[in-house]
Amino acid sequence: GNSVTQMEGPVTLSEEAFLTINCTYTATGYPSLFWYVQYPGEGLQLLLKATKADDKGSNKGFEATYRKETTSFHLEKGSVQVSDSAVYFCALMDSSYKLIFGSGTRLLVRP
Amino acid sequence: DTGVSQNPRHKITKRGQNVTFRCDPISEHNRLYWYRQTLGQGPEFLTYFQNEAQLEKSRLLSDRFSAERPKGSFSTLEIQRTEQGDSAMYLCASSSLTTSGRPYEQYFGPGTRLTVT
Repeated sequence: GNSVTQMEGPVTLSEEAFLTINCTYTATGYPSLFWYVQYPGEGLQLLLKATKADDKGSNKGFEATYRKETTSFHLEKGSVQVSDSAVYFCALMDSSYKLIFGSGTRLLVRP
Repeated sequence: DTGVSQNPRHKITKRGQNVTFRCDPISEHNRLYWYRQTLGQGPEFLTYFQNEAQLEKSRLLSDRFSAERPKGSFSTLEIQRTEQGDSAMYLCASSSLTTSGRPYEQYFGPGTRLTVT
């Protein structure tokens, strides 16, 4: 079946450090892939997406590239800020267009 | 466009009681989804509607759960005879369909946090 695996957190970084959060997936075909972010006390917000192999999604300095060879969609940011502290979820959209999420990775950025 | 709204935001109930949650999607969004999120986990799909038709239900959705979307607008999720294991955040999301019939990305509401004591 379809599934998403994310690196476990929490990930703790100093401000301006480089961020990578790993995400791999198992799916039939080539699903659309997403990163959502959940700030404390708020709902899920779409951060970026990619709909086909080699697509790069980007938003607010975050990037992720759809790699079908390694079935991965790792999230990266060159310089994190304290305001990026949140929980990040990787997800795929299956053939009936529902989302299957990973378990989430908590990011804590220290000043 | 006011976004997806959910009510109530928090609900505390005693085991065995019935509860009902409401979701108001973004206007004109055809699809409406319900997910459940437990502490430290990602959201899990429960069910979805296209207009007023409920098209898929997860095996997570026991007989105690029922969802409706009358007239294809707002939706309600009812849990009967609540159990402590039902304690979770219940999330609603909506999306529109492209002209080719494929859904756009889903927009989530703030969720309803249920605590069963």
